[in-house]
Amino acid sequence: GENVEQHPSTLSVQEGDSAVIKCTYSDSASNYFPWYKQELGKGPQLIIDIRSNVGEKKDQRIAVTLNKTAKHFSLHITETQPEDSAVYFCAATRGSQGNLIFGKGTKLSVKP
Amino acid sequence: NAGVTQTPKFRVLKTGQSMTLLCAQDMNHEYMYWYRQDPGMGLRLIHYSVGEGTTAKGEVPDGYNVSRLKKQNFLLGLESAAPSQTSVYFCATSRLTERWLATSYNEQFFGPGTRLTVL
Repeated sequence: GENVEQHPSTLSVQEGDSAVIKCTYSDSASNYFPWYKQELGKGPQLIIDIRSNVGEKKDQRIAVTLNKTAKHFSLHITETQPEDSAVYFCAATRGSQGNLIFGKGTKLSVKP
Repeated sequence: NAGVTQTPKFRVLKTGQSMTLLCAQDMNHEYMYWYRQDPGMGLRLIHYSVGEGTTAKGEVPDGYNVSRLKKQNFLLGLESAAPSQTSVYFCATSRLTERWLATSYNEQFFGPGTRLTVL
């Protein structure tokens, strides 16, 4: 079945530096790849997503890239701020119309 | 608008006890989901519903039952709680996928979670 692997599990950066989180997926039919941010004590919230017909998408300091051939996608956060500290989850659809399979999460800490 | 709410926020059960978690939404979304979140395991889908009166199994359905009698509510039941069901449970909703479109993906909106401990 579909499997989504996420690395690293923890990431610590200095304020202003960039952060990169990487995910790989196994189902070549997957066609939607969202990223969720979860702050302490809250439910996850969508921050950006990408579809399989697009290679890159950017929204202010956040960008996502997708390499369908290699079956991996990445989240890039530039000019990190303390409020970026949270757990980030990647996800991929099970097949082309299925539910989401989530990665195990990355705890990002941004030190002032 | 409250969005997605979950009741209760916290609960402690003894092994063998039963309980029901309630998810309520005022977003008029067709799809509703129940996930469990365990340390280092991410979010795993327990059951989901694509509309009122329908339910389907997710990745980890054993030990749980669900019902969707009303569009706005999705109930998750534990008939005989076990320590392995200690977890944080999240409900989520999303709009109906417009299947006649080639690509149509809908954001999932999550509730605040229910922390359940089974002793």
